[in-house]
Amino acid sequence: GAVVSQHPSRVICKSGTSVKIECRSLDFQATTMFWYRQFPKQSLMLMATSNEGSKATYEQGVEKDKFLINHASLTLSTLTVTSAHPEDSSFYICSARDMRGADGELFFGEGSRLTVL
Amino acid sequence: GQQVMQIPQYQHVQEGEDFTTYCNSSTTLSNIQWYKQRPGGHPVFLIQLVKSGEVKKQKRLTFQFGEAKKNSSLHITATQTTDVGTYFCAGGSQGNLIFGKGTKLSVKP
Repeated sequence: GAVVSQHPSRVICKSGTSVKIECRSLDFQATTMFWYRQFPKQSLMLMATSNEGSKATYEQGVEKDKFLINHASLTLSTLTVTSAHPEDSSFYICSARDMRGADGELFFGEGSRLTVL
Repeated sequence: GQQVMQIPQYQHVQEGEDFTTYCNSSTTLSNIQWYKQRPGGHPVFLIQLVKSGEVKKQKRLTFQFGEAKKNSSLHITATQTTDVGTYFCAGGSQGNLIFGKGTKLSVKP
């Protein structure tokens, strides 16, 4: 089946620095990728939809200047947490839609645990 | 690495039949979540189970968390066409969430 790779799996950074997380579809082209955030013991929350070659669509309440999303190619989307603060510490996970299937099957990355000190 | 296996990958049922999807983890989980994704949509949170042996019901859906907290199941009684979609389990472990590959359910009217 399709594989979505996410990197890094864990990152620790100092407050005020920026962190980039990559999401790659390894064996299919994904015109659309999604970024989610999960707080401890809570459900997944959709942050934004990343569209190849165009601007990302952000969900209500998500700061676009804080969470920069770039989808420069059909296999790569990146999420940059800018000027990270401790409250940005969370589990971030991406998914990519494989449009080869009739319904656009969704595949998830392994997630990235961000800890901001 | 840690894995969450979900079976079956696909299930085709006649409307009115029951449906079950199973999740198995290679390690003990702190909790398990279930999501439903309608075709073309996003996963929508259904429920979270935390306790060993926990059973929760939502109308025709029954969720179970195994005694060892390594497996879980979702059972739908008397499926309806509105149940169509992909059901994902996600195991919580060490602060991370590991998704199964999902079970795609189709229901024939």
